[in-house]
Amino acid sequence: DAGVIQSPRHEVTEMGQEVTLRCKPISGHNSLFWYRQTMMRGLELLIYFNNNVPIDDSGMPEDRFSAKMPNASFSTLKIQPSEPRDSAVYFCASSLPPLLSGNTIYFGEGSWLTVV
Amino acid sequence: EDQVTQSPEALRLQEGESSSLNCSYTVSGLRGLFWYRQDPGKGPEFLFTLYSAGEEKEKERLKATLTKKESFLHITAPKPEDSATYLCAVRYQGGKLIFGQGTELSVKP
Repeated sequence: DAGVIQSPRHEVTEMGQEVTLRCKPISGHNSLFWYRQTMMRGLELLIYFNNNVPIDDSGMPEDRFSAKMPNASFSTLKIQPSEPRDSAVYFCASSLPPLLSGNTIYFGEGSWLTVV
Repeated sequence: EDQVTQSPEALRLQEGESSSLNCSYTVSGLRGLFWYRQDPGKGPEFLFTLYSAGEEKEKERLKATLTKKESFLHITAPKPEDSATYLCAVRYQGGKLIFGQGTELSVKP
């Protein structure tokens, strides 16, 4: 399997611009997670989906952030408008249903976002 | 409050010098404790899952153990290629996976 695929790998954008990060989970996985990683705060869960439905978005920092999962093979994380403090690595991860997989969650390589 | 704490923050070892990393947690309804390895510029790579106190898992020079309040990642005779950040995470009832801050391991030849 190709693993979790994220794009873009690197993005540099100006403050105020819209940023869209994309994720293709591992085929057959029904849970999808978006994490943000910074030096100060480590890995923070932003939102996760089960069967394309958002289950918990309590980690989404503010209304500028939104996430969608229109089908089982695609998800987006959008930041509008972007701010310098949004600069971080954004990871997408996916897993099978817990009872089948033993709960293992697999991560993509991340999208490195810099907002200037 | 659900919390995962790792120690030490950083660990420097000589090649062959065995040691342990600690992960303590306060989580209700544990559904698994995970260890990941993360190399610079990469996503976390899955190592182990532990579910119940007393459980142990091994992979090459790594051995993970679990008690009711903490987990240890034992590294036996480490090599420079074991240098990485090791992340502990806990998945609890409801599905969330909460990460600790990680331990940055450096193994010098």
